[in-house]
Amino acid sequence: DAGVIQSPRHEVTEMGQEVTLRCKPISGHDYLFWYRQTMMRGLELLIYFNNNVPIDDSGMPEDRFSAKMPNASFSTLKIQPSEPRDSAVYFCASSANVRGVNTEAFFGQGTRLTVV
Amino acid sequence: DQQVKQNSPSLSVQEGRISILNCDYTNSMFDYFLWYKKYPAEGPTFLISISSIKDKNEDGRFTVFLNKSAKHLSLHIVPSQPGDSAVYFCAADSNSGNTPLVFGKGTRLSVIA
Repeated sequence: DAGVIQSPRHEVTEMGQEVTLRCKPISGHDYLFWYRQTMMRGLELLIYFNNNVPIDDSGMPEDRFSAKMPNASFSTLKIQPSEPRDSAVYFCASSANVRGVNTEAFFGQGTRLTVV
Repeated sequence: DQQVKQNSPSLSVQEGRISILNCDYTNSMFDYFLWYKKYPAEGPTFLISISSIKDKNEDGRFTVFLNKSAKHLSLHIVPSQPGDSAVYFCAADSNSGNTPLVFGKGTRLSVIA
């Protein structure tokens, strides 16, 4: 397996524009997580899915953020409209629930978002 | 409120010496702890873990110690190598709840040759 794949690797956009980040989890993993990394907060969980269903989105900072997982192999994180304070590295991760015990999460390479 | 705390944002160590990275947690439900390593422009990668039923887990140069009464764990790297220079994230999990990993803010380790 190629691991968790995120696209794009880098995104520079103007304030007010819509941004869509994409993620392909590892095949067979039934948990998918979106994290955001900033200097101030470190790695913070935004939302996670189990079997394509959103379980907890309490980490999503505002209504401008939304995430979907239409099938087991694809998820998107959308920011509309984007603001400069959204600039960060966004990571997608996936894990498998093996016999009721979560395995460690595997991370993608991240999308570095810059909103100017 | 941070449930997992890494109070040292950075650490510098001479090559060949021991690196000790510390992590504290507040949630008593956490029963599984992990360390991730992150190089620039890459995603975090799993390094080593420990279950709450143990107080030590060793893997080559890396050892994680867990002190449940103090809600404290540490990662020891001996001997430190320049390639160990990275950001290290402590993470905690509650297997009973199937909840996501909770990460600390990370500690940037610099191993100086």
